[in-house]
Amino acid sequence: GENVEQHPSTLSVQEGDSAVIKCTYSDSASNYFPWYKQELGKRPQLIIDIRSNVGEKKDQRIAVTLNKTAKHFSLHITETQPEDSAVYFCAASYSGYSTLTFGKGTMLLVSP
Amino acid sequence: GAGVSQSPSNKVTEKGKDVELRCDPISGHTALYWYRQSLGQGLEFLIYFQGNSAPDKSGLPSDRFSAERTGGSVSTLTIQRTQQEDSAVYLCASSLAGGGSNYEQYFGPGTRLTVT
Repeated sequence: GENVEQHPSTLSVQEGDSAVIKCTYSDSASNYFPWYKQELGKRPQLIIDIRSNVGEKKDQRIAVTLNKTAKHFSLHITETQPEDSAVYFCAASYSGYSTLTFGKGTMLLVSP
Repeated sequence: GAGVSQSPSNKVTEKGKDVELRCDPISGHTALYWYRQSLGQGLEFLIYFQGNSAPDKSGLPSDRFSAERTGGSVSTLTIQRTQQEDSAVYLCASSLAGGGSNYEQYFGPGTRLTVT
C-alpha cells in the first residue's frame, strides 16, 4: 500500500516569513495529493489539492508543487499570519484506492 | 447545508465496555470513511463505505472494531471490549463519491473516546 512521510513535524516561523512542508510518497500510481489544515480542536479541512497532470498549483498565499519523478510534493505558504497556525496534513491516493493515506502532520506555529 | 455530524462529542468508558459512535454524513454523499487520530499522530484509516458495495475494512486494527452503514446514510462504529489504547479521536468523513482520489472529504467534528 501507499506510505506517506511528512517533514518537519513542527515548524516555527515569524509572521511574514514563508513556510514549506514536504511530503514523500511510495506508490508511483498515486495521482491525487490534497492538503488538509486542522486548527486546534477543529476538524481537518481541505485547503488545496493537486493532481498528477500538473506540477504546481497556487491559491493566494498557498501553493503546492509536485515532482512525480522524485515522488514528493510540498506545501508553500507565503506571508504567514498567526491564523495560519495549525496542523497541516498531506495525503496521497489514486483512483484505485479506497481512501487517502495521510502523513503524520506538521504543526505550524506563526509568531506575531 | 448541514455538514458531517458525529455523536457523542465525548465519550468516557471503562475498560472492557462496548461503545458505539455515530456519524451522519452530508446528504447525497455516497462515500463514508472512519479515521482514528491519536495524540501527535496522523489520520489512521479504519473503514470505508461506498454506496452498496462491500466496505473496505482493511484499516480496522482488530476484530473488536466493526462498523455498519444503514440505508446508505448513517454509520455506526462499534468497539467491543474497549482497551486503553483505543483512546483517541474518531473522525468520520464523507464525500460525493468514492475512490479517494477526486472528491474532497468533509470531516465531522470527531468523537473523543477516553477509556479508563
